[in-house]
Amino acid sequence: DTAVSQTPKYLVTQMGNDKSIKCEQNLGHDTMYWYKQDSKKFLKIMFSYNNKELIINETVPNRFSPKSPDKAHLNLHINSLELGDSAVYFCASSQVPSGNYEQYFGPGTRLTVT
Amino acid sequence: QQQVKQSPQSLIVQKGGISIINCAYENTAFDYFPWYQQFPGKGPALLIAIRPDVSEKKEGRFTISFNKSAKQFSLHIMDSQPGDSATYFCAASPWGAQKLVFGQGTRLTINP
Repeated sequence: DTAVSQTPKYLVTQMGNDKSIKCEQNLGHDTMYWYKQDSKKFLKIMFSYNNKELIINETVPNRFSPKSPDKAHLNLHINSLELGDSAVYFCASSQVPSGNYEQYFGPGTRLTVT
Repeated sequence: QQQVKQSPQSLIVQKGGISIINCAYENTAFDYFPWYQQFPGKGPALLIAIRPDVSEKKEGRFTISFNKSAKQFSLHIMDSQPGDSATYFCAASPWGAQKLVFGQGTRLTINP
């Protein structure tokens, strides 16, 4: 069973379109994250949610809107896509109160904006 | 501002050799230092982590060395194997803050 899953794995779209990436974790974790990995492989946190509440929002354009319908899901909606949004987006989860700070990453979604 | 600096960007080591990757941080509030391993097409996975109350942590062939006064930490891979070929990321976070700041990554290649 996949611990953290993302759909789709690949997403190719044109500038100006709106798209969503879905993430689900079956680990029972209470905290979920979105990271962006650019073409140079640099990983940067975008958002963090704890029990459906936004905890971290790292100076991300407001075209990006995360939504957490329940603590097992964290989706990322992107409006008016730009060329610079092309990257690999990773979802991750962790269980903070247990004291184990390991973050479990999903397989990534490669977004290409043309 | 790059808060965690990682070097080298790429590293080639012969099978059986020792691979060493270094990181330096600036923020004195950081007190959790994990290393993640990423294979092509996969998400990063935790390899080993350390907190500054110890200067070294070893798990199998992987060792983290930590120097709090110098604000540096490093990953040593002993007896490096071709299967260790991957990109390695150091990271840092204040304890409990869950806000990992990653280094730039090191692409490690182990030649057979």
